[in-house]
Amino acid sequence: SAVISQKPSRDICQRGTSLTIQCQVDSQVTMMFWYRQQPGQSLTLIATANQGSEATYESGFVIDKFPISRPNLTFSTLTVSNMSPEDSSIYLCSVHGQDQETQYFGPGTRLLVL
Amino acid sequence: EDQVTQSPEALRLQEGESSSLNCSYTVSGLRGLFWYRQDPGKGPEFLFTLYSAGEEKEKERLKATLTKKESFLHITAPKPEDSATYLCAVQAILTGGGNKLTFGTGTQLKVEL
Repeated sequence: SAVISQKPSRDICQRGTSLTIQCQVDSQVTMMFWYRQQPGQSLTLIATANQGSEATYESGFVIDKFPISRPNLTFSTLTVSNMSPEDSSIYLCSVHGQDQETQYFGPGTRLLVL
Repeated sequence: EDQVTQSPEALRLQEGESSSLNCSYTVSGLRGLFWYRQDPGKGPEFLFTLYSAGEEKEKERLKATLTKKESFLHITAPKPEDSATYLCAVQAILTGGGNKLTFGTGTQLKVEL
């Protein structure tokens, strides 16, 4: 399976500010996925990022709040904009394995918004 | 809408005490059911994929089974290092494809000496 890294691993931010989370994969992948894991809740898909095209957002998530970049086949960023305490969560990126079915996850970014 | 319900929410076992975790799901058409393990402060670690009713997969002390409505993760003679949160997720067959995983909230397992 691919090796996935995320930066930062954790951060504490003030409300109204924005944070950009990076996801780096050690091999080229077509799709990268961004999930949110709020305290006590299940992982929820935010969007799917394909290289060279606009990200596809799930219901309840909008580009203005969570802009995503995908400049190449090994890297993506997710920005959490105009943050509020409700954005405090773990943000995870994932990619497909060789079977193109199983998703493998990065270590996550733990965000606390004060 | 796809739904995944896991039970129990938390489970405490003695070392060597076997048990099962349940994952009930509703999905328009199942493409795959996935089990993950998540340790505190880490991302989910892939365990198994199951595709059709009757399928079973095993790895060390873990065995996953699948029916048309639920999946079980059986843990045989658990050890303290099996302590983690176990997550279940489903992927639906969608027209035009689709890669969304719908997760349950997990079962937090604690294995004590």
